[in-house]
Amino acid sequence: SQTIHQWPATLVQPVGSPLSLECTVEGTSNPNLYWYRQAAGRGLQLLFYSVGIGQISSEVPQNLSASRPQDRQFILSSKKLLLSDSGFYLCAWIGGKADTQYFGPGTRLTVL
Amino acid sequence: QKEVEQDPGPLSVPEGAIVSLNCTYSNSAFQYFMWYRQYSRKGPELLMYTYSSGNKEDGRFTAQVDKSSKYISLFIRDSQPSDSATYLCAMSPRSYIPTFGRGTSLIVHP
Repeated sequence: SQTIHQWPATLVQPVGSPLSLECTVEGTSNPNLYWYRQAAGRGLQLLFYSVGIGQISSEVPQNLSASRPQDRQFILSSKKLLLSDSGFYLCAWIGGKADTQYFGPGTRLTVL
Repeated sequence: QKEVEQDPGPLSVPEGAIVSLNCTYSNSAFQYFMWYRQYSRKGPELLMYTYSSGNKEDGRFTAQVDKSSKYISLFIRDSQPSDSATYLCAMSPRSYIPTFGRGTSLIVHP
């Protein structure tokens, strides 16, 4: 079965500090992976998606970046966090069929 | 105008009630329509998806799509306290990359 792991689960970081969030997937190979951010009371905002190793597409220009160093690993990073980066970050695998969609447990990031 | 509009609620109903959740959209290219359930501090889980117009039923849940009105609905029959969650609608063209609504918070009280 498909499983998505994310860590850490919760993170509190000061403004200007770096960020690294990790997502790993089990139960599939060559998945299409996505990073979403969910701000309080807001919908899910697509940040990045990747169709393979080293292939990253950015949906929203900002101070975040993403990398796909391995087939089932997707990393979200920032060199300097802003207050506006606070939110709930979700990694998702969306496959080739409309019913193949799995979200990870999320990382709650608070930037102070 | 946002591509997908969804009233954030909260919507509070008594146990056993029929719940109606709705979304409107503006992009005529949307062909896949999804509903997700998200419990507090958890990732969303896909409940149902519908392709194009029509109805789809799964147990107590019924999804309806009216493309002519650009309006979709999710009905929950015999609602239970365990149905209390945020319900997100989402839509996509053929690419399956969904565009999400804000989510509606549902509270079913005993």
